[in-house]
Amino acid sequence: SAVISQKPSRDICQRGTSLTIQCQVDSQVTMMFWYRQQPGQSLTLIATANQGSEATYESGFVIDKFPISRPNLTFSTLTVSNMSPEDSSIYLCSVVIRGGETQYFGPGTRLLVL
Amino acid sequence: LAKTTQPISMDSYEGQEVNITCSHNNIATNDYITWYQQFPSQGPRFIIQGYKTKVTNEVASLFIPADRKSSTLSLPRVSLSDTAVYYCLDHNTDKLIFGTGTRLQVFP
Repeated sequence: SAVISQKPSRDICQRGTSLTIQCQVDSQVTMMFWYRQQPGQSLTLIATANQGSEATYESGFVIDKFPISRPNLTFSTLTVSNMSPEDSSIYLCSVVIRGGETQYFGPGTRLLVL
Repeated sequence: LAKTTQPISMDSYEGQEVNITCSHNNIATNDYITWYQQFPSQGPRFIIQGYKTKVTNEVASLFIPADRKSSTLSLPRVSLSDTAVYYCLDHNTDKLIFGTGTRLQVFP
């Protein structure tokens, strides 16, 4: 398994501002993903964080709104830009460990936009 | 769009066996079936994965019939701490598409 940490664990932000969420893993991973889980809903994949190159976004998500970085095998950031109350969600990173197949999820970052 | 269908909710009592069935009507030949568990305020936790027949681990059993159009997650002797949302997925890549999940409530 992997130990995945996310920072911050929660935040309250004003509309129009941006928040960067960090995901750190204690093992080298092959794949890293970012998901969103809106209140009472299931998880929705935002993008695949690619090391050293631009992230691959799912339909409905764009780089200008959710810029993602992945500078190395164990770290990634997701920025939620120009936030509105509709961005209030839990944001989760997930990883696939090198040599493994199982996808592990971080604890999530709970974001409230006022 | 989710590929799987499962009941929205289920209730059980402590000590009972719980079986949650999922429909995989669009499963592809090389798809695996995976189940996750999610507690409130936590990320999903991997429970079990299989391709066909039966898989068992220390947490649960997974039954997959020959046609693979369904799967059943079996939780033996549930406790209050098994109250959670359970997601079934079928996939052949690391991109996971989550459906609605089944909200299991265990009562004393």
